[in-house]
Amino acid sequence: AQSVAQPEDQVNVAEGNPLTVKCTYSVSGNPYLFWYVQYPNRGLQFLLKYITGDNLVKGSYGFEAEFNKSQTSFHLKKPSALVSDSALYFCAVTDSGAGSYQLTFGKGTKLSVIP
Amino acid sequence: DSGVTQTPKHLITATGQRVTLRCSPRSGDLSVYWYQQSLDQGLQFLIQYYNGEERAKGNILERFSAQQFPDLHSELNLSSLELGDSALYFCASSVEGGGSRGYTFGSGTRLTVV
Repeated sequence: AQSVAQPEDQVNVAEGNPLTVKCTYSVSGNPYLFWYVQYPNRGLQFLLKYITGDNLVKGSYGFEAEFNKSQTSFHLKKPSALVSDSALYFCAVTDSGAGSYQLTFGKGTKLSVIP
Repeated sequence: DSGVTQTPKHLITATGQRVTLRCSPRSGDLSVYWYQQSLDQGLQFLIQYYNGEERAKGNILERFSAQQFPDLHSELNLSSLELGDSALYFCASSVEGGGSRGYTFGSGTRLTVV
């Protein structure tokens, strides 16, 4: 079975400060990891993914994430937060050896960037 | 536009009724995944089809069914609707094998059962 935990329901950060949204995962095999963002009344927009290789992944809109196999974590980061980054963020995982590749999502973290 | 088209965008129906949600995958993608997003359950995987065949099943109720047609579009049928079925239903598509090639999500169908 695969699972994702996002331990924080909400993260508040001041505009211009660095932000981190936490994610830990559990899979039987090797993970494929994803971050998506959802704005109100909108669909899921892809931010970045880790498949293999470099543990630091760079994505859209200045976001990056670091894969840490020993801690089974994939935290999302951005050096300088913008008010427009305020949204709901989802971490997701699939098992690369499972065959069906369905994504399992965390419960989401609401990011609020305060002007 | 993500390339994945879901219709309708909004649907309001009464308890006990049946509805059909439609998803057209991105061109070239063979897999379709259905997800339900509700406030209490978060994003739950329902079912996956690959090239017309069911590939994986998640937390899908027996009142719900799906299929993928030869042109690769998919339909999710929800019957005997209950208030608790009110949710945002997403479709995602991926190329053969999914995973490393990523997933593209549609904008969703918001179902309200009254």
